Formats: sequence, structure tokens, C-alpha cells
Amino acid sequence: GDSVTQMEGPVTLSEEACLTINCTYTATGYPSLFWYVQYPGEGLQLLLKATKADDKGSNKGFEATYRKETTSFHLEKGSVQVSDSAVYFCAFALYNQGGKLIFGQGTELSVKP
Amino acid sequence: SQTIHQWPATLVQPVGSPLSLECTVEGTSNPNLYWYRQAAGRGLQLLFYSVGIGQISSEVPQNLSASRPQDRQFILSSKKLLLSDSGFYLCAWTVEEGAYEQYFGPGTRLTVT
Repeated sequence: GDSVTQMEGPVTLSEEACLTINCTYTATGYPSLFWYVQYPGEGLQLLLKATKADDKGSNKGFEATYRKETTSFHLEKGSVQVSDSAVYFCAFALYNQGGKLIFGQGTELSVKP
Repeated sequence: SQTIHQWPATLVQPVGSPLSLECTVEGTSNPNLYWYRQAAGRGLQLLFYSVGIGQISSEVPQNLSASRPQDRQFILSSKKLLLSDSGFYLCAWTVEEGAYEQYFGPGTRLTVT
């Protein structure tokens, strides 16, 4: 069935370290892919998206590339900041089911100064 | 621009009491609307979604119900709350075009005592 598998957390990094959060998906069809971020006590914010193979979504220094051949959408950032500490969710949309999003379980990132 | 509102922001209710959470969207027409629940430290669980007025799809069996009395209003209800209903409730919207990205409200923190 449709699913998203994310790298388990928590991930703890020092400020200015490189970040990679792995995400792979299983989907019928050709979905749009998303990364969402959730800061403590808040709702989810769309971080970036990609709609077709080899598209690179980017925002706030984060990037992810839609890899159809490996069904992956890994999130990367070259230099993390303390303010990036949050939970990150990978997801894709089911167009034929009202746009339902299938989410991964979330990866908690903690960045230490 | 589009905005999404949820209220109340926090709620403490005794077991067995009724519940009504409201979500409204501004700046768009005929959105798809969604209710999610997030238990502490856990991922997102889709509860209901709606593709139009009076059209509700239920994703999980529980003592909750949803209604959409107006195009941009989505209500989550319960006649009798259980302890297990505690969590963070998120409303979201999308439109059926483009990538189908969803935009989330600020959430309601519900504690059932």
C-alpha cells in the first residue's frame, strides 16, 4: 500500500553541520512530494515540494530532489542553525482520493550551538 | 492571500463531555478540507476529509464526527470524549490543482481529563 518511510530520529547536530534526512515512498502513480516542518506547539508548514522526476524543491537553504528511480526525496541542508530545530515530515499526495497526504512518521532534529 | 483559522487554541475537557472544534478558511473557494490528530510525540493521523459541502469521508472508526455546513467551514465533534481523544488537532486545506499541497492551521491542543 501507499506509505512513506523516514529516517528515524531524533537527529542531533552541531550548528553549521550538514543535514540529510532520508525519505523513501511507495505509491501507485506519480505523486507530488513534500517536506513539511513543525516547530514546537505549532501546525505544519510546507517547507518545499516537487512535482515531477528530477525536480529540485528548495526553501530556506533546504533542498530535496525527486528521484523516481529510487522513489526517494531526501532532505538536505549544507549548514544547519539552532533555529532549524523542529520535526520534519516527508509526504506525498493521493490525487484520486481527495488529495489525501500520506505522511512519514516524522524526524525530530535538534541543533546545538 | 489564503488563511486558515482554528479555535479554540487550547481546550481542557472532562471525560464524557461533548466537543466542537471549528476550522475556517479564507481567500479560496471550494477547498478540500482535512482534520488530523497528532498524539504526543507521534505522527499525523488523518481523521476526516471533505471535498465539498456535506461530503465527509471518515478514515478511522472512533467516537468523533465531522461536518461541513459551509464551503469554507469544517467542524470536528464528539458527543462524549474519551481520554484517548487527547491530542493536537490540525485542520488543513488544499485545492484540486497543481501539486495538491496542503496548508495547515495553527492547531487545537485538547486535553481530556
